[in-house]
Formats: sequence, structure tokens, C-alpha cells
Amino acid sequence: GAVVSQHPSRVICKSGTSVKIECRSLDFQATTMFWYRQFPKQSLMLMATSNEGSKATYEQGVEKDKFLINHASLTLSTLTVTSAHPEDSSFYICSARVEGGVSAEAFFGQGTRLTVV
Amino acid sequence: AQSVTQLDSQVPVFEEAPVELRCNYSSSVSVYLFWYVQYPNQGLQLLLKYLSGSTLVKGINGFEAEFNKSQTSFHLRKPSVHISDTAEYFCAFRGSSNTGKLIFGQGTTLQVKP
Repeated sequence: GAVVSQHPSRVICKSGTSVKIECRSLDFQATTMFWYRQFPKQSLMLMATSNEGSKATYEQGVEKDKFLINHASLTLSTLTVTSAHPEDSSFYICSARVEGGVSAEAFFGQGTRLTVV
Repeated sequence: AQSVTQLDSQVPVFEEAPVELRCNYSSSVSVYLFWYVQYPNQGLQLLLKYLSGSTLVKGINGFEAEFNKSQTSFHLRKPSVHISDTAEYFCAFRGSSNTGKLIFGQGTTLQVKP
């Protein structure tokens, strides 16, 4: 199947700093990428849908100025957590959809464990 | 409203026993259905998917699932589990239009005991 690479896998940052997480589709072009947040022992919460070359679409309740999403190319989307605070500590997962075909199946990155201290 | 309900938050089972993880969905449109597995501190891996056609779909690692339209269910089964199957399992669906986003269930923790 298609491979989505997410980097870094773990990051610890100080409160008030910004952190960038990268999501790359390695062997396919992804017109659409998705960013999720997952709290311990909970399901995935969709934060935003990222479309190449246009502004991301954020889900209700997600602060767009805090979680900056850039999808500059068909293989790369980035999530920047700005002015991070301890409550932003979480597991962030990206996914990329293979366009075309019947299902436009989504493939997931390995996730990034963010800890804000 | 569209939603997915995984009826069991935790399923303990002994090794080599059969297991069923239950999933029901609610949608007014045709859907594509998926089961994903998540190991600790990792992303999601697709186990299997139902798009159309045969209601019994087979996936990786010996898992299978059956789509039941009348009961709006998509239960996951495995006839004999291994210790390595211990993980979190997510049921998800999306509308059959290509712009639909994935809607996830709450997840079921499968705990396989020796």
C-alpha cells in the first residue's frame, strides 16, 4: 500500500514555543491530507482537511491561528502548533488520500507524540 | 447525523479463541466501511474495507468483516487470535462521495491473554 511518513515521531518542547510536524506521501500524490488529534485511549478527532494549494478547512472548535496547516505540494503537508501549551500535548496523526479509484482510501502516518513542558 | 458506534470499549479474550468486535453505523447515504488497527504510539493500519459487492470481506492478519445493510453493522471477526493481535481497533466509514471525511468509532481495545 501507499506510504505516509510523519516526522518527528516524538517531540518535547517548552511552553510558548512552536512545533512543526511534517506529513509526506512517499510514493503517491495526495491532493487531500487530514490532520487528527488523539487523546489517550480515545478515538481520532479530525482537526482539519488540507488541500494542496488552498487554505485548510478546519473543524468546528479548532483554532486555525493556533494550528497552522500548510499544504504546499502534492506530497507534503505541515502542521505547526504555535505558542504551544501543556494542554496541546497529544498524539497527532496525519493521513493522505489516494485520489481516483473507487474508495479514495486514506493512509495514515505513524503519528507524532507532542509533549509540552 | 452520521456516526459510528463501537459497542465494546474493551474485549478480553484468550489466545487462540475466536473474537468479534462490533460496529454499527448511522448514515443516510451509501457508505464505505473500514476497520483500522492501531498499535501503541503508532498510526493506523488498514485491516480491511467494504466498498461494494460481496458483504463478507477478508483482510490482513486473518481478520474478516461482514457488512449487514439492514442492521447497519460491520462487525470484525477472527477465528483464532494471537497475542500479537493485542491493539486498538477502530471502525470508520465515509460517504461514498469522494469528498467525504472519515468518521471514526470510539475504538475497541482487544486484549489477548495467554
